[in-house]
Amino acid sequence: SQTIHQWPATLVQPVGSPLSLECTVEGTSNPNLYWYRQAAGRGLQLLFYSVGIGQISSEVPQNLSASRPQDRQFILSSKKLLLSDSGFYLCAAGGGYNSPLHFGNGTRLTVT
Amino acid sequence: RKEVEQDPGPFNVPEGATVAFNCTYSNSASQSFFWYRQDCRKEPKLLMSVYSSGNEDGRFTAQLNRASQYISLLIRDSKLSDSATYLCVVNGEEYGNKLVFGAGTILRVKS
Repeated sequence: SQTIHQWPATLVQPVGSPLSLECTVEGTSNPNLYWYRQAAGRGLQLLFYSVGIGQISSEVPQNLSASRPQDRQFILSSKKLLLSDSGFYLCAAGGGYNSPLHFGNGTRLTVT
Repeated sequence: RKEVEQDPGPFNVPEGATVAFNCTYSNSASQSFFWYRQDCRKEPKLLMSVYSSGNEDGRFTAQLNRASQYISLLIRDSKLSDSATYLCVVNGEEYGNKLVFGAGTILRVKS
């Protein structure tokens, strides 16, 4: 079965600082990969998804970007964080036809 | 209209009660349906897939109504540990490889 690793679990960053969150997947090859964000008390918002190395689809225009340098590695980045970037960031794998998503433990980001 | 809509609740029920949640979706071409459970400050976890003929997993029953474009989740004999947010999730051709999540329904089971 696949395992999704995310780190760090919590992060506090000042406004204007850069961000890099990494997600790695074990137990599967060529997975569809996703970044979601959940603001406090809100639903999950899809940020990016990738169906292969170097293939990134952006769902919401914002100051975040994503990259997939390797088959099982997905990175979420920002050059300058905003207060509104605070939230719970979740990496997920799966999601093909009739295939559910499986999530990592998430990173709780607070921008101060 | 939102792609996936759920009653946010909260549903406050006593232990042992039966509770049902509905979820409507807008894309008639959707083909994959799931219920997830999310505990406070944790990642969502798959509860069950929803099949066209309906399916049951212990105390949980999921049903799909394609004509009316909704799915439902029935929980029998509620336990305190069932307290969580339940997320309705839909995939479909229009969404490509994306799963669209509802905002969730909060369930609180009280003793």
